[in-house]
Order: sequence, then C-alpha cells, then structure tokens
Amino acid sequence: GNSVTQMEGPVTLSEEAFLTINCTYTATGYPSLFWYVQYPGEGLQLLLKATKADDKGSNKGFEATYRKETTSFHLEKGSVQVSDSAVYFCALSERSGGSNYKLTFGKGTLLTVNP
Amino acid sequence: GAGVSQSPRYKVAKRGQDVALRCDPISGHVSLFWYQQALGQGPEFLTYFQNEAQLDKSGLPSDRFFAERPEGSVSTLKIQRTQQEDSAVYLCASSRTEGTAQETQYFGPGTRLLVL
Repeated sequence: GNSVTQMEGPVTLSEEAFLTINCTYTATGYPSLFWYVQYPGEGLQLLLKATKADDKGSNKGFEATYRKETTSFHLEKGSVQVSDSAVYFCALSERSGGSNYKLTFGKGTLLTVNP
Repeated sequence: GAGVSQSPRYKVAKRGQDVALRCDPISGHVSLFWYQQALGQGPEFLTYFQNEAQLDKSGLPSDRFFAERPEGSVSTLKIQRTQQEDSAVYLCASSRTEGTAQETQYFGPGTRLLVL
C-alpha cells in the first residue's frame, strides 16, 4: 500500500536558520503530494502541494519539489521564524477505488524555532 | 464562508459508553472524510462520503464505528461501546468536488476523545 516516511523530530532551530524536513513516499501510481501544517491549538492547514513530477509547490517562503526519481518531496525554507513553530505533515493523495482520493500522512515533524 | 467545524471539541467517555461526533463541512462541499489521529502519529483515513453516499469505509477499525451523512451535509461519526484504544483525535475534512488527487482537503479542528 501507499506510505509516507518523514524525518523524525523534534527539530529545534534558531531564528533565520535554514530548514529541511525530509519526506519520501511509496505509491503504486502517480500521487499528488502535500505538506500540511498544524500550528499549536489549530487544525491542519494546507501549506503547499505539487501534482506531478518536477512541480515545485511554494507558500510563505516554504518550498518543496516533487522528485519522482527519488520518490521525495522535501520541505525547505531559507530563513525560519519563530512563528513557523508547528507540526509539519507530509501526505500523498492517490485514487484508491471508486472516486475516493484519501490522504496518506507521515507521522509529522515538530519544529520549534527559538528567537 | 466558515471553515469546517466539529463538535464537541473534547469528549471524555467511560469505557463501554457510546459517543457521537459531529462534523459541519464547508457549505456546498461534496466530499467529506473522517480521519483518526493517535497521539504522536499522522492522521489515518477512516471513511469517505460523496454527498450522502458512503463510498469507502475501509479504514473503520471495527464494526463499533459507524458514520452517516444523511442529507449530504452534516456528518456524524458514532462509536459504540468505546474502548481505551479509541482514544484519539478525530478529524473531519471536506473538499469541494467529488474528488481529484490534486484537490485540497480542508480540515476541522478535531474532536479529542479520551476513553477512561
């Protein structure tokens, strides 16, 4: 079945540091790939997505490129802020029968950014 | 308009009790999903509705779990005879159309269920 493996946390960085959170996936077809973020006390929000190979998703300074050859979708940000402290989830969406496109998530990576 | 809402936000149940969790999706959204998120884990799929039709219930862990969406809008997830292993956050998500792999799912804040 489909699966997502992401870098285990927690990750602690100082403000303005470079961030990478690794994500690799296993899928039988051609999934769409997502990064969702969960800020403290809030629900999951879409951060960015990419729908085909070599696509780059970007939002709020975060970027991730869909690499089919390495089955990866690593999240990067050049300069993190304290407000980026959250749990980040990598996920894939693929048709799994009928018209269902459920999400398969990784375990999440807790990021803490210190001033 | 408003986002996805869920109620209650927190629920404490004694083992063996029945519970009902409510989800109000974004108005007009066709697809509705339920996920279960155990502590320290990512969400896991439970079931999917397209309008009022439950098209996939392959993720429901046992026959104690039942979901419905009778009028194609509000959905209820019911857990009968709760067990301690049912303790988790239950997330509801909706999306605009009947489903594409690229479509964004919008999540509610979740209901945190604790079974004692």
